[in-house]
Amino acid sequence: DQQVKQNSPSLSVQEGRISILNCDYTNSMFDYFLWYKKYPAEGPTFLISISSIKDKNEDGRFTVFLNKSAKHLSLHIVPSQPGDSAVYFCAASGQGDSNYQLIWGAGTKLIIKP
Amino acid sequence: GAVVSQHPSWVICKSGTSVKIECRSLDFQATTMFWYRQFPKQSLMLMATSNEGSKATYEQGVEKDKFLINHASLTLSTLTVTSAHPEDSSFYICSARGTSGLNTQYFGPGTRLTVL
Repeated sequence: DQQVKQNSPSLSVQEGRISILNCDYTNSMFDYFLWYKKYPAEGPTFLISISSIKDKNEDGRFTVFLNKSAKHLSLHIVPSQPGDSAVYFCAASGQGDSNYQLIWGAGTKLIIKP
Repeated sequence: GAVVSQHPSWVICKSGTSVKIECRSLDFQATTMFWYRQFPKQSLMLMATSNEGSKATYEQGVEKDKFLINHASLTLSTLTVTSAHPEDSSFYICSARGTSGLNTQYFGPGTRLTVL
């Protein structure tokens, strides 16, 4: 049973426009959510996170929105740049989890078209 | 801050040999590190959680005698693939939990293992 779902395997966006990546979760115990970016043959890079006490967190071109009632979060990238082309993973964690593990989505491949 | 390194970045070995991969947190102390494996076109698969000074916790289906994990210090965890076989060929990535109290993991660049 996938607790974190990224339903879009890929997304293509024109350079300069907004990229919106979506993520859904099922476990109501999750209270911390993260987005990572990954290039082929490299480790994931941490982008931005949000705690469940917030509904929005912004860092430069990246904004994460959290809708707890819908168990949905999204990552907005504005404006999209060619270097943003990568696979984006959503991850979730319960702070009460003593293992500190992250539960990962399957990833969404973002392609920025020039 | 929060830089994690891995060594080696790639390794080719003969079947039956053992390979050690190091994971270091360079600018912070990590009581908890994680080892992942990634198959082509698939998501990350958590292999084990490594806690400094104690035994690693392995995920279901991961052979602890084959994938030996040692977390002897707050900045170093090692993964040893023992008696490697071609099916162990994969991309291995480590991560370290940050010190902010939140469960943010910072990843190493990964190690590509090829077993001939």
